[in-house]
Amino acid sequence: DADVTQTPRNRITKTGKRIMLECSQTKGHDRMYWYRQDPGLGLRLIYYSFDVKDINKGEISDGYSVSRQAQAKFSLSLESAIPNQTALYFCATSDLQDTGELFFGEGSRLTVL
Amino acid sequence: RKEVEQDPGPFNVPEGATVAFNCTYSNSASQSFFWYRQDCRKEPKLLMSVYSSGNEDGRFTAQLNRASQYISLLIRDSKLSDSATYLCVVNNRNRDDKIIFGKGTRLHILP
Repeated sequence: DADVTQTPRNRITKTGKRIMLECSQTKGHDRMYWYRQDPGLGLRLIYYSFDVKDINKGEISDGYSVSRQAQAKFSLSLESAIPNQTALYFCATSDLQDTGELFFGEGSRLTVL
Repeated sequence: RKEVEQDPGPFNVPEGATVAFNCTYSNSASQSFFWYRQDCRKEPKLLMSVYSSGNEDGRFTAQLNRASQYISLLIRDSKLSDSATYLCVVNNRNRDDKIIFGKGTRLHILP
């Protein structure tokens, strides 16, 4: 089983719909991140969380919200999806006490029509 | 200057050749450096960390030049399976834990 699991892996939705992407991890890491990846733009940070009570905006948080339900779970929500949110979304974890390496989930491909 | 900058490529290299990528970073306080590999439509995976003294893992050699603020990755005897996008990653490992990704360099190994 993967250490960082994302659901759903693929989702097609319509403009205006609410979408939640979920991430769970078994690595015991405190830090969790949500990134989106677009062709030619690389990985961009949406939100990150250092622990359950510490959530921070990344560089492109507008239109997104997150919830850290537990140390192991970090969800990303699109309250009202729009077509330019079509992208590949990655959840990642890290442990600052370790090497600082990021461990990624397999990604969630979201298409907003 | 962009925080982390890489040549996007693509680099089209014949099998068996040696290829080198460079990456520059703007924050002199950066502490940790990594090369990640990403296959098409897959998640990035750590290829290797980059240490100040330079480090080697099989056919791969990574080097860090703090004075000039650049990181390099050398791949020797390239294989078809090395075709991927290589991401340079810089982490300042402080309270902000700002992890910055380069946009990646695409490598195509040609048979």
